[in-house]
Parts: sequence; structure tokens; C-alpha cells
Amino acid sequence: DIQMTQSPSSLSASVGDRLTITCRASQSIGNHLNWYQQKPGKAPKVLIYAASSLQSGVPSRFSGSGSGTDFTLTISSLQPEDFAAYYCQQSYSTPLTFGGGTKVEIK
Amino acid sequence: QVQLVQSGAEVREPGASVKVSCKAFGYTFTGYTIHWVRQAPGQRPEWMGWISGGSGNTKYSQKFQDRVTITTDTSASSAYMELSSLTSEDTAVYYCGTSVAGLNWFDPWGQGTLVIVSS
Repeated sequence: DIQMTQSPSSLSASVGDRLTITCRASQSIGNHLNWYQQKPGKAPKVLIYAASSLQSGVPSRFSGSGSGTDFTLTISSLQPEDFAAYYCQQSYSTPLTFGGGTKVEIK
Repeated sequence: QVQLVQSGAEVREPGASVKVSCKAFGYTFTGYTIHWVRQAPGQRPEWMGWISGGSGNTKYSQKFQDRVTITTDTSASSAYMELSSLTSEDTAVYYCGTSVAGLNWFDPWGQGTLVIVSS
């Protein structure tokens, strides 16, 4: 199975901050990496697919980059509605696997 | 508007089975793959398996291979996930999610179904 490791596991930030979350795969997965946002009590929502493609309707302050084993999710200017948990997920091979998550909290 | 609507919360005793449904609205069910993902409290999501809405072919995670069955009823635009031999470790929110065949990222997701396993 491909292991996905995210860092940090949590962080505190302020509105307007620039944020970067990293995700590392245990083996090369090309660009088969997706990012989700999850708010308490809700299902995850896809933000980025194929490492860097912005899902329709997602604000342009979200961006993704990387390939192979190392990936990043960047929020260019944090907004109040962005405080949530973020997960990466590899879609290269089954079993599909998720990172451990990054919880973004208000400073 | 594409939407997945799941059945309501369930409580089961250890050793029992549970069957969760997922009904699709707003798109051609047979053109997509339906996945099942669960998330235990405070844990990362965990993929359980998928079924092709068109062919009915399935792929299960080895972790659940012996206990999970995913089916569809295309006439009802619905998918089902049945998990047997439940233990307390199966207490989780179970989600269905849809993907284009072969792409394996999920959008949209159902609202989730809480399954509690307790004696």
C-alpha cells in the first residue's frame, strides 16, 4: 500500500496568511494526488485534483503543485471559511489512501 | 445538480451486519464509479472499495475484502455497501463518493451515514 504523510498535522494561522501544507508519498505516484477540505460534521470536498488542477467552483487562492513523491497545497491568503481540515489522497493505485490530515485553526 | 443522498444512521451489535444505501440524483448513474470511504472519529478517511455504475465490476480494499459487499441497483440509481461481522472498530461515518471511471478522486460525496457498533 502507498503511505501518505502530511505535515504539519495542525497549525494556527491568521486571516490573510499564506499557508503551505505538504504531502509525501511512500513511492512515486506521478501527478495522481488530490486535495480535500473537510469541515466538522461534513463530507470532504475536493479542491485540487491531478496535483495542480483546480476543481470548478473552488476559489483561486487554492493551488497545488508537485509530482512524484512530494506535493504541496498552498492557500495564498487565508479566509475565515478556510479554517478546516485538509487531506491529501493518492489515486495512483488501490487501495486508495489518504494522508493523516492537517487541521488549520485560528490563531 | 449532481447529488448523492445516503440512508440514515444505524446502530448494530457486535457480530451483526449493516447495509448503507447511496442514491444518485442529477446525473447518469451508469457513467460513473461509486466509491465507499469510511472515517472513524478523529481519523483519516479510509477507502473501502468501488463499483462501476455501468458494468457492476467491483474492487475492494484487501482490508475489507472478506467482509464488504458493494452492489448497485441501476433502476434505482442506487449503490449499497454491506459490511458484516461488525466490531466496535467499525464505528465510523461511512461515505459514498463518485468519480469518473479510472480517475479515482471523489466529487461529489454523500452526506455520510454514522454507523455505531455497540452492545
